[in-house]
Amino acid sequence: ETGVTQTPRHLVMGMTNKKSLKCEQHLGHNAMYWYKQSAKKPLELMFVYSLEERVENNSVPSRFSPECPNSSHLFLHLHTLQPEDSALYLCASSQEGRGLDTGELFFGEGSRLTVL
Amino acid sequence: TQLLEQSPQFLSIQEGENLTVYCNSSSVFSSLQWYRQEPGEGPVLLVTVVTGGEVKKLKRLTFQFGDARKDSSLHITAAQPGDTGLYLCALTDSWGKLQFGAGTQVVVTP
Repeated sequence: ETGVTQTPRHLVMGMTNKKSLKCEQHLGHNAMYWYKQSAKKPLELMFVYSLEERVENNSVPSRFSPECPNSSHLFLHLHTLQPEDSALYLCASSQEGRGLDTGELFFGEGSRLTVL
Repeated sequence: TQLLEQSPQFLSIQEGENLTVYCNSSSVFSSLQWYRQEPGEGPVLLVTVVTGGEVKKLKRLTFQFGDARKDSSLHITAAQPGDTGLYLCALTDSWGKLQFGAGTQVVVTP
């Protein structure tokens, strides 16, 4: 099994649809992340979960709703998205130490989202 | 405010040539990571540098961390088509979270 698995790999949805992105990590890590990757822009950190608790939400619109039911699974629920939300959504995991610094991130292959 | 500036944005070279990409910050940072993202994949960590002036080598890749810990470079010797990808640098911000640059897209043609 690969370390971090994301499904679906591609998703096309209308602005009124509700869909979800799924991420699963098999590395035993204690932190999981959602990043948004748009062309020619830096990766944007959206959400961070540490020990299944959300520790960061970078002013992400409420039409994106994360869920972390356990340390191995992370979801991103999508509702009434806009065309500008079209992007590659990357999930990552890491093993957080006692310090605050983020160690190596292990990324999934991403979910390519197109909003029509 | 973008913490990291990467240059150039795009680089296309022939197999066998050398290339250098740069990562610059207006602030001092404690550590910096370089990732490579191949088409259709997520980013994969190449190296972490933590000490000013540090040089690390990974086969044909040489990573340098500036003495003032505000800049870094990645040099690839004798590039191969397998080096094609988006090269991302990331630093740890004051909240301990990784902030990424926009990346340099490298294309190596046979």
